[in-house]
Amino acid sequence: AQSVTQPDIHITVSEGASLELRCNYSYGATPYLFWYVQSPGQGLQLLLKYFSGDTLVQGIKGFEAEFKRSQSSFNLRKPSVHWSDAAEYFCAVSPAYSGAGSYQLTFGKGTKLSVIP
Amino acid sequence: EPEVTQTPSHQVTQMGQEVILRCVPISNHLYFYWYRQILGQKVEFLVSFYNNEISEKSEIFDDQFSVERPDGSNFTLKIRSTKLEDSAMYFCASSEGTPNQPQHFGDGTRLSIL
Repeated sequence: AQSVTQPDIHITVSEGASLELRCNYSYGATPYLFWYVQSPGQGLQLLLKYFSGDTLVQGIKGFEAEFKRSQSSFNLRKPSVHWSDAAEYFCAVSPAYSGAGSYQLTFGKGTKLSVIP
Repeated sequence: EPEVTQTPSHQVTQMGQEVILRCVPISNHLYFYWYRQILGQKVEFLVSFYNNEISEKSEIFDDQFSVERPDGSNFTLKIRSTKLEDSAMYFCASSEGTPNQPQHFGDGTRLSIL
């Protein structure tokens, strides 16, 4: 069964510092990979996705992520964090193919990001 | 930008009562999903719906749960007889079709069972 591990439950960084949030996945084949962000009381907003091709993908709000097949990782990075980036971040995987017509997401437990002004 | 809308934003219900959570997916989307997030835990898949039928469901989605797309625009999740452990945030999501079209999420319905 597929699984997603986000080893860091809570990370605190200073505004302007760089950020890396870790994500490892376990899947039978190469899945599709996603990062979502959730602000308090809000839904999940897609930051970026990886399907194939260039292993470094760019997303919204200045975020990027790198897919490393050998490490089964899809870490999220941002060179300079803003106070508005404080939120919870979820890594997720979905099947690349489904005979049942379902591409449900399997989420990690999330990493809560706090930003110190 | 079109968005997924969910109503109500907060539902408080007595244990044993039926609840219906409503979602209006993005209009040209074909795949529909319900997820839930128990407070402090990760988001979990409940059910997917395509071509007017359930395409996959998780072990959480037992006989107490049902989904319906009654009129071509709404997508509902019904819990027949609620339990305390059904208290959670419920998210609806939709996507255009093929897996390289990401899912768009609503803001969720917070369900509180008393």
